[in-house]
This record gives sequence, structure tokens and C-alpha cells, in this order.
Amino acid sequence: NAGVTQTPKFQVLKTGQSMTLQCAQDMNHEYMSWYRQDPGMGLRLIHYSVGAGITDQGEVPNGYNVSRSTTEDFPLRLLSAAPSQTSVYFCASSYLEDIGDTQYFGPGTRLTVL
Amino acid sequence: AQKITQTQPGMFVQEKEAVTLDCTYDTSDQSYGLFWYKQPSSGEMIFLIYQGSYDEQNATEGRYSLNFQKARKSANLVISASQLGDSAMYFCAMREASFNAGNNRKLIWGLGTSLAVNP
Repeated sequence: NAGVTQTPKFQVLKTGQSMTLQCAQDMNHEYMSWYRQDPGMGLRLIHYSVGAGITDQGEVPNGYNVSRSTTEDFPLRLLSAAPSQTSVYFCASSYLEDIGDTQYFGPGTRLTVL
Repeated sequence: AQKITQTQPGMFVQEKEAVTLDCTYDTSDQSYGLFWYKQPSSGEMIFLIYQGSYDEQNATEGRYSLNFQKARKSANLVISASQLGDSAMYFCAMREASFNAGNNRKLIWGLGTSLAVNP
């Protein structure tokens, strides 16, 4: 049981490049989400999904795309990287049964955009 | 307005002593949940403890307990018998029922408290 996995752990991009951050979970969680963590700003929700084929925007969705073709995978795409997207990105997943369902986090991806 | 406030940017505690990390929250929902996460220097987010708004007893998980004072809207984390491995950032987060109903599942986060355990 690997939990939530993310790849890569580190990435450096040049402005304008695109890339995909991978996220997978093996806990059969319906809910998956992407957060970014910036100093002094806490964690902010980018996109989330409540099941395969269903995604929605969070607080800071601009510049990012997501899709959910399977229960297990929830990739985050940066369309045209900008320095403002330099951050640590976390994927998280949980069940959808009640308010106390714990979100479990992946190890994070540290992204630098030059 | 910030909904989760952690007023202690940094805290120090002596090994083997207890420490309380403060968290106050603001919500108009009657049903909500409060979570604490630990983030060590390695970067991962580790779930510690959960308290539901309707739970009558304070949550406990090993050395972690949550001092829940609903009227004061506070959910302080108490770590007993601190260990060197407790040195980390600690985040308080809240999920409101109004968001839950829409399946947003959004967690509202505080800015964290950095805890340093001294030997």
C-alpha cells in the first residue's frame, strides 16, 4: 500500500515550458486534489476531483489543467510555466463519506520556474 | 477574513516537556471538522488528529491531544512528552459542512507554527 505518490520530486522549468505533475493513489479514494504551498500563504487549493471524469476548480486554478480518467490518477498540467508558479505542489486524496474524512498527502513536488 | 489563525509563528520546547500550539477558527457552520497536520523538514504533510464539531470529548492520538473549546472557537494541539522528532511545522485546518455538501472538501489552512524541540 503506497498511499499517495507524486512524481517528480523536483523539477526546474524555463518560462513557457509545459509539464505534467503525476499523482496516484491506491486507497480507492473518490476525492483527489492539488494544493500549492507558498511561504507565508499556507496551502491553497488548485483543482479537485470527486471521481473519474469529474473535476472542478479550487482557489487558484489559472495556469493549470487537470483530468481524472481513472480513480487512481490525477495529473496536474502546467500549460505555460511562469515564475509565479514556483512552489511546492501537493496531491491529496480522501474518501467522500463524511466531514471527518482525512486527506492524505503525497510527498510533494518542488517546482522552480526560471 | 482569515478563518484559521495560528498566532505563534515559532515555538520552543524542552525535550520531554508538553507544549500547546494554538489554533482559533471562524465559521458560521454548525458542522465542521478540525485537523492538525505535521510537516517535518523533509516536506511531507502528516495527518495527526481530527476533531468534529459535534464530538463531545477532546480527540486524542497517542501523545497528541486536541483541546477543543467550541465556545471560544479554539482547537489547540497539545503534544505531551516532546521528542526531538517533533521539531516541525504544524498546521491547523478546517473543513466546513457547507463546503462538504458541495463535495468541495476544501480544507482551510492556517499559516502554521514552527516547533523546535531542544535537547
